[in-house]
Amino acid sequence: ETGVTQSPTHLIKTRGQQVTLRCSSQSGHNTVSWYQQALGQGPQFIFQYYREEENGRGNFPPRFSGLQFPNYSSELNVNALELDDSALYLCASSLGTFYNSPLHFGNGTRLTVT
Amino acid sequence: QKEVEQNSGPLSVPEGAIASLNCTYSDRGSQSFFWYRQYSGKSPELIMFIYSNGDKEDGRFTAQLNKASQYVSLLIRDSQPSDSATYLCAVDNTDKLIFGTGTRLQVFP
Repeated sequence: ETGVTQSPTHLIKTRGQQVTLRCSSQSGHNTVSWYQQALGQGPQFIFQYYREEENGRGNFPPRFSGLQFPNYSSELNVNALELDDSALYLCASSLGTFYNSPLHFGNGTRLTVT
Repeated sequence: QKEVEQNSGPLSVPEGAIASLNCTYSDRGSQSFFWYRQYSGKSPELIMFIYSNGDKEDGRFTAQLNKASQYVSLLIRDSQPSDSATYLCAVDNTDKLIFGTGTRLQVFP
């Protein structure tokens, strides 16, 4: 069984640029959640995708957007990068509700904005 | 009031002792509760989940849930230096998991 994989592992961007992060969900999982974790903080919920539709969004501006593909893989796009966007971005997949399927995270993408 | 609160620590315990980590949450409607371990620079790893009031044991780990008091705890018996990490409490809130800021545990030999 393949776990959640994320790419790239590290990324350095300049303020104002755009970035795309990718996530392949665990085999059989149809739900993908994205989190942002700043240094010393807990993960903050960005949004969740279920069957290619956004299914819940946290307190993040519209410049954070996402996609989910028919094979349940997902992308997180961030436009007009700001210095505060520097963080570890985590993707997690699940099957159904949290009650039935706890989140399992990928290894994350470390984004640095300079 | 934060939705999920944890003491940031560090909590220092000697090797072989019991480490007790605590978490309170604000949403009375929450049904699912999770503990994750996160080593420095790594992603969170699921340790335990609990859905019903009471205790749930898995090896050296015991999760305790008291919905009336809106309180979740994690006990680690026979603590080892390899248990040194940040422990994140997570609680479901409709369609998302809300995480606390984590408690840093240090187990010294």
